[in-house]
Amino acid sequence: KAGVTQTPRYLIKTRGQQVTLSCSPISGHRSVSWYQQTPGQGLQFLFEYFSETQRNKGNFPGRFSGRQFSNSRSEMNVSTLELGDSALYLCASSLKQAYNEQFFGPGTRLTVL
Amino acid sequence: DAKTTQPTSMDCAEGRAANLPCNHSTISGNEYVYWYRQIHSQGPQYIIHGLKNNETNEMASLIITEDRKSSTLILPHATLRDTAVYYCSDANAGNMLTFGGGTRLMVKP
Repeated sequence: KAGVTQTPRYLIKTRGQQVTLSCSPISGHRSVSWYQQTPGQGLQFLFEYFSETQRNKGNFPGRFSGRQFSNSRSEMNVSTLELGDSALYLCASSLKQAYNEQFFGPGTRLTVL
Repeated sequence: DAKTTQPTSMDCAEGRAANLPCNHSTISGNEYVYWYRQIHSQGPQYIIHGLKNNETNEMASLIITEDRKSSTLILPHATLRDTAVYYCSDANAGNMLTFGGGTRLMVKP
């Protein structure tokens, strides 16, 4: 069974631009979560989608948004990029919504110049 | 800020048990303890999770104290491939993990 895939793997943008990252979960997984990982803040939860509905949201500004499609694939969007948005963005999928293991993708490394 | 605290780094001899501690000072009654590890340039990998009883799977054992304020991940026979950063987290039903700096485990021959 194929793992979680994320595209693109690397991205360079400039301040003020917007970016869209894509995540394809493991087949059959309906829960997709997004995380931001930085050396200073560690891994922080962005949001979780289950059956196309956002179920939980972390403490990030409205510039960060996401969606999930009927095939469980998910995208996250960051508008008006800031230097501090440079990070590794990780997507994780799980079979159920709660109390179970999450399978992480390799991440998208976003650099904002 | 992360809700858990872990030592920054630990060394372990190959073949010996690695015991990685974690403090969960603010864990609440409905939050589980999760452990993941991350090898450089890869996404985190699930290891084990539990609520209040000790747990064991093919990768590791998890010991949770009675007050649930601390946990210990045990790798019974560490190998060189276990060299990684290990993260603990407590999370409720929403699958919302939060990792701090983690423990960098170095397994040495």
